[in-house]
Amino acid sequence: NAGVMQNPRHLVRRRGQEARLRCSPMKGHSHVYWYRQLPEEGLKFMVYLQKENIIDESGMPKERFSAEFPKEGPSILRIQQVVRGDSAAYFCASSPTDRGGEKLFFGSGTQLSVL
Amino acid sequence: AQTVTQSQPEMSVQEAETVTLSCTYDTSESDYYLFWYKQPPSRQMILVIRQEAYKQQNATENRFSVNFQKAAKSFSLKISDSQLGDAAMYFCAYRSRSNNDMRFGAGTRLTVKP
Repeated sequence: NAGVMQNPRHLVRRRGQEARLRCSPMKGHSHVYWYRQLPEEGLKFMVYLQKENIIDESGMPKERFSAEFPKEGPSILRIQQVVRGDSAAYFCASSPTDRGGEKLFFGSGTQLSVL
Repeated sequence: AQTVTQSQPEMSVQEAETVTLSCTYDTSESDYYLFWYKQPPSRQMILVIRQEAYKQQNATENRFSVNFQKAAKSFSLKISDSQLGDAAMYFCAYRSRSNNDMRFGAGTRLTVKP
């Protein structure tokens, strides 16, 4: 059973471009979470999705950021018109249920660098 | 709002010795879960240990154990017989039963000296 797959592992964008980060959850998992990690900091929650639904986006910046988890295919975190402050590691995690005690399975992250 | 605090940015331990990493949290809820995750240089987040708040017994996983003090809102991780492969960033995390997000501390970087 393959783990949570994220790609690309590294992504370089110039200011003003769009960044698209992909996440395929573990097989059988229908709950996806996105986190952002700045250097030397912990992970900060961004958004929680189930198939075709955004359940909680309280950690997502109001502008330029969007996320989706379509019926078919990976979850996508999209950042429009990137700025240098968007440079960070973005982690995706999945779980089979939405139970609060459920552990999250993490991908290896996408390191976004904005030039 | 729930917050997780790790007051030790860096810790160092001699191989085969024991080290304890500290974590405190703030919450008004009574039903929640606590986790320790390890992040090696590969960046992969690996679950080390999990504790259910309603269980008084401290969780253990081989060389890893926790000291869970619910009243003090403290959740420290003890690593016994430290190995070189234990070197990593360690993150304490909190998740309530009613909330979707898992909240993380800022992390403790553990160095293991041979």
